[in-house]
Amino acid sequence: GAGVSQSPSNKVTEKGKDVELRCDPISGHTALYWYRQRLGQGLEFLIYFQGNSAPDKSGLPSDRFSAERTGESVSTLTIQRTQQEDSAVYLCASSLGSGAIQPQHFGDGTRLSIL
Amino acid sequence: AQSVTQLGSHVSVSEGALVLLRCNYSSSVPPYLFWYVQYPNQGLQLLLKYTSAATLVKGINGFEAEFKKSETSFHLTKPSAHMSDAAEYFCAVTPNYLISNFGNEKLTFGTGTRLTIIP
Repeated sequence: GAGVSQSPSNKVTEKGKDVELRCDPISGHTALYWYRQRLGQGLEFLIYFQGNSAPDKSGLPSDRFSAERTGESVSTLTIQRTQQEDSAVYLCASSLGSGAIQPQHFGDGTRLSIL
Repeated sequence: AQSVTQLGSHVSVSEGALVLLRCNYSSSVPPYLFWYVQYPNQGLQLLLKYTSAATLVKGINGFEAEFKKSETSFHLTKPSAHMSDAAEYFCAVTPNYLISNFGNEKLTFGTGTRLTIIP
């Protein structure tokens, strides 16, 4: 069955360039989350979308980070003027809706390397 | 703010031995708790979750966890380790939605425990 799909799976770019990461959630899932996983660390929450509500951007580390979601479908995470500390795996998750009883389903992530 | 602490960044057990991965949470009221497993170059897969129902929770792949309020713990166990259990395991917490801002159940993760199985 179709799970959460993320692209690209790997991205290598030079410091200072902009990057765009894509997430296709499971069809019908209204909630979508972005997390960042740095080497040897747990996941850090970045941003949350739920339906047409205003997104919760409280986890975005700086104004270089932004994300959009079109309705209840695709989301893109954009990092402008990338820095070496942005190197990490970026994971997207979706769930049927709000409420912790609905489990989050994760994609395989995008491994971002900043040279 | 809520948090979880995973004791032991690396755990090694022999094949067939008991697996015990420790997780303690910090929260003023019992939250919802989760265990996820991550295989190399993959995303996270939910093993099990505690959402205020039974305190002993059974998950996939023979894993289970027990919620102990008195110890603020949610340790993960498996009676007999298998080679395929080698992976990274993450404990995570999210607010009990009855007392949280309903709508954002973002997960707060521990730093993970890498489980190695010795043949």
